[in-house]
Amino acid sequence: NAGVTQTPKFRILKIGQSMTLQCTQDMNHNYMYWYRQDPGMGLKLIYYSVGAGITDKGEVPNGYNVSRSTTEDFPLRLELAAPSQTSVYFCASRGSFVSDAYGYTFGSGTRLTVV
Amino acid sequence: EDQVTQSPEALRLQEGESSSLNCSYTVSGLRGLFWYRQDPGKGPEFLFTLYSAGEEKEKERLKATLTKKESFLHITAPKPEDSATYLCAVQIDSGYSTLTFGKGTMLLVSP
Repeated sequence: NAGVTQTPKFRILKIGQSMTLQCTQDMNHNYMYWYRQDPGMGLKLIYYSVGAGITDKGEVPNGYNVSRSTTEDFPLRLELAAPSQTSVYFCASRGSFVSDAYGYTFGSGTRLTVV
Repeated sequence: EDQVTQSPEALRLQEGESSSLNCSYTVSGLRGLFWYRQDPGKGPEFLFTLYSAGEEKEKERLKATLTKKESFLHITAPKPEDSATYLCAVQIDSGYSTLTFGKGTMLLVSP
C-alpha cells in the first residue's frame, strides 16, 4: 500500500544512547517532514526536506540530525538521547504545491521512551 | 509569532448531538488551513484544506468553514465512530509548506 512507513513502532532507549528513526515513502513526494508530539501539545516540527540533498531545521531541532540521500528516505538521528526526547515521532510527506488540497500523508508514528 | 488555538480541549457529546469545534489563528499571510483527524496510536489523517474566508467544505457529517480569524469544524448528528482528536494546522505564505499545529480537541461521542 502506498504511503509513509515508519520503523520501529516502539523503542526504549537509555540516556546517552543513539538511534535512527526510519521513514520511507513510495509516493515520489519531494517534501518530507519530521514532527514530534507530546501529550497535550501540538505537533512540533523538528526538521524538513524539500528534496534529496536539501534539509532545514524546524522549530525544535536540538538533539536531532537528518539526512536525505534519496527521494524515498528521510531518517531522523538522535544522538545522546535525553529524557526530554521521550515523545511520539511522526514522519510526513507531501507532493507538489498543486496537491495542497490533499494535505500531508503521515506515518503511524514511533513511540520513543528515554530512561 | 504564529499561533493556532483550538477550543475546547475536550468535548463529550451524545450520539446525534451536533456541535462545533473552534480553531482560531493569528498568522501573517495565511496560505491554507488544514483539519486532521487523529485516532489513538495512529498518525493524523487529512480531512480538509481551506484557503480563503467564506470557503466551506463537507465530508459526511463534518463541515469545515473559514473566516479571517478562525475556522469551525461542525459535526452534525455525530456517531461513536467520530470519536477522535481533531487537529487544526495553518500554512503560511513563507517557508516550504511547513504546518503549525494547534493542540487539538479530543472528541468523545457516547452511544
